[in-house]
Formats: sequence, structure tokens, C-alpha cells
Amino acid sequence: DAGVIQSPRHEVTEMGQEVTLRCKPISGHDYLFWYRQTMMRGLELLIYFNNNVPIDDSGMPEDRFSAKMPNASFSTLKIQPSEPRDSAVYFCASSFYIDNTIYFGEGSWLTVV
Amino acid sequence: GENVGLHLPTLSVQEGDNSIINCAYSNSASDYFIWYKQESGKGPQFIIDIRSNMDKRQGQRVTVLLNKTVKHLSLQIAATQPGDSAVYFCAENIAQGGSYIPTFGRGTSLIVHP
Repeated sequence: DAGVIQSPRHEVTEMGQEVTLRCKPISGHDYLFWYRQTMMRGLELLIYFNNNVPIDDSGMPEDRFSAKMPNASFSTLKIQPSEPRDSAVYFCASSFYIDNTIYFGEGSWLTVV
Repeated sequence: GENVGLHLPTLSVQEGDNSIINCAYSNSASDYFIWYKQESGKGPQFIIDIRSNMDKRQGQRVTVLLNKTVKHLSLQIAATQPGDSAVYFCAENIAQGGSYIPTFGRGTSLIVHP
């Protein structure tokens, strides 16, 4: 299996622009997670899905952030409009409920200038 | 509030020494704990896990100890190698809707000197 696949790996964008991060979970996994990692706050859970349905989005910082999972093999995290404080590494992860271990992608490194 | 935290942000050791990374948790409802290793430029990777009905679990060169009395978790790495240099996270897991959702601590950076 190729693991969790994220794109883009790196993105630099100007403040105010829309940013879309993409994720392909491991085939067969029924949970998908979006995390944000910064030096100040560490790894924060933003939102997670079960069987494509958002279960808990309490970690989403504000209305500028939105996430969707239109099918079992694809999810997006969108920031509109982006701000410099959104600069971070965004990780997507997936798991199969019986396993309980979540598998992370390589991350999307976002810089907003 | 309840949180997961680490005692030492950075740990430097010599190659061949044993390393011990500590983690404190405060959520008494947590019953499943995982250690992850994150190398530079990569996502966290599973190392070892332990459930609350155990106090020790061993893997290859790694041992996790759980002390529920003081809500403390540790990761021991035997004969530390340069390839072990990474940030190590402990994650406490709370059951939600039939699965476990991890909450991560801040991480400890392990530096192994050759």
C-alpha cells in the first residue's frame, strides 16, 4: 500500500488566497483525520471523519477552515481566506477502527506570506 | 483542564546509551497510549502502544512503561542509534464512538551523538 498520500507537499501563498490541501487515505480505512502541527501548539486535531461523515470539527480554528470528504478515497481541507498565522504543517491520517493505530501522511507544508 | 505533556523537550544522548523519554497525562478516562516517532520532514510513525490493563510492553529495542497511579508513561530505547534521532510523541487515546481518537503531547526531541 502507498500509505496516506497528501498534496501539495509544499505551498507558499499570499495572504487572502484560497488554499486547498488534499488527502488520499489508505484504502479500506474508515477514519480520516486532519491535524495541524506548529512549534507553539504541537499536533492539533482539526477534524475527523468516519465513513466520510464529519464526526468532530471542534478543532477547526474558525470559519475560514472547511473540510470535506466526498468519498472514501479523498478529502480536502480548505482555508479561505488564508492568513500568515495559518502557516503550519497539515497532516492527514487514516485508520481502520479495529486497528486503532492511525497512519500519517508526509504532510503539507503551508507558508502564508 | 486535562492534557498530555512531556517532561523534557530535548534529550541528548551518546550512541549506544539507553534513552528514556517521559510523558505525563491527566485524563483518567484514557485507556490506550501510543508512542510515535517523527523524523525531520516526515509524518509521525507508530512505534509501540500499551493499554491501561498493562504496565509494561516491549518491542524491538523499545519498552513502554505505564504507571497509572501517577499517570506517567515512558519510552525506553535501548542502545540508542543515530537513526533514532527524531521527535517522539506520546498520545493518549480516548474512546469515542467505537474508535480511539488520539490526543498528542508536545513532543520530545531526541538527539543521538555518534
